[in-house]
Amino acid sequence: QKEVEQNSGPLSVPEGAIASLNCTYSDRGSQSFFWYRQYSGKSPELIMSIYSNGDKEDGRFTAQLNKASQYVSLLIRDSQPSDSATYLCAVNAGGGADGLTFGKGTHLIIQP
Amino acid sequence: GAGVSQSPRYKVAKRGQDVALRCDPISGHVSLFWYQQALGQGPEFLTYFQNEAQLDKSGLPSDRFFAERPEGSVSTLKIQRTQQEDSAVYLCASSGQGPTYEQYFGPGTRLTVT
Repeated sequence: QKEVEQNSGPLSVPEGAIASLNCTYSDRGSQSFFWYRQYSGKSPELIMSIYSNGDKEDGRFTAQLNKASQYVSLLIRDSQPSDSATYLCAVNAGGGADGLTFGKGTHLIIQP
Repeated sequence: GAGVSQSPRYKVAKRGQDVALRCDPISGHVSLFWYQQALGQGPEFLTYFQNEAQLDKSGLPSDRFFAERPEGSVSTLKIQRTQQEDSAVYLCASSGQGPTYEQYFGPGTRLTVT
């Protein structure tokens, strides 16, 4: 049974600070890792993908992957109230097109 | 360009009715996925198509659920004899041919079974 674990939160962060979201996964052979943002009543929106160990930066977002520890994280710098949403971690066991296994999501609140 | 579209956006069905949910993927995307999302949960995988071939249907919860993509473009998810536990948001996603296989979601169909 493939599992993806996230702290459900809520995680409350002051505006302008760094928000740190964490995710662990059970399938050691997993190849592809994704972070989605989901606003209430909306569908998931892809914000980051990462495939190899280390950091990947895109604007205010940094994804970090450690396959040895089976750990993925997302850092959001200079947090804005518009970043308040649920962040979903998703894992693809194979290297190609395949169904994703999602965590339950972390609810992030950015306090003005 | 146009994203993934789904219809209807909302569907209310009486228990025992059949429903059909439609997904129109991003143009040129060969892979299409269906997910079910219950309130407060992450999406759960239902089934996957590559072109018209259904390569994985391991997530379909029962034989009341059926999906097709006959021409390798638009897909329909059909639920027969709906039950209250089928109430959820049904999400469709599509992805291209690689190398990254990132999946992009449509707006979803919220199904309520009364």
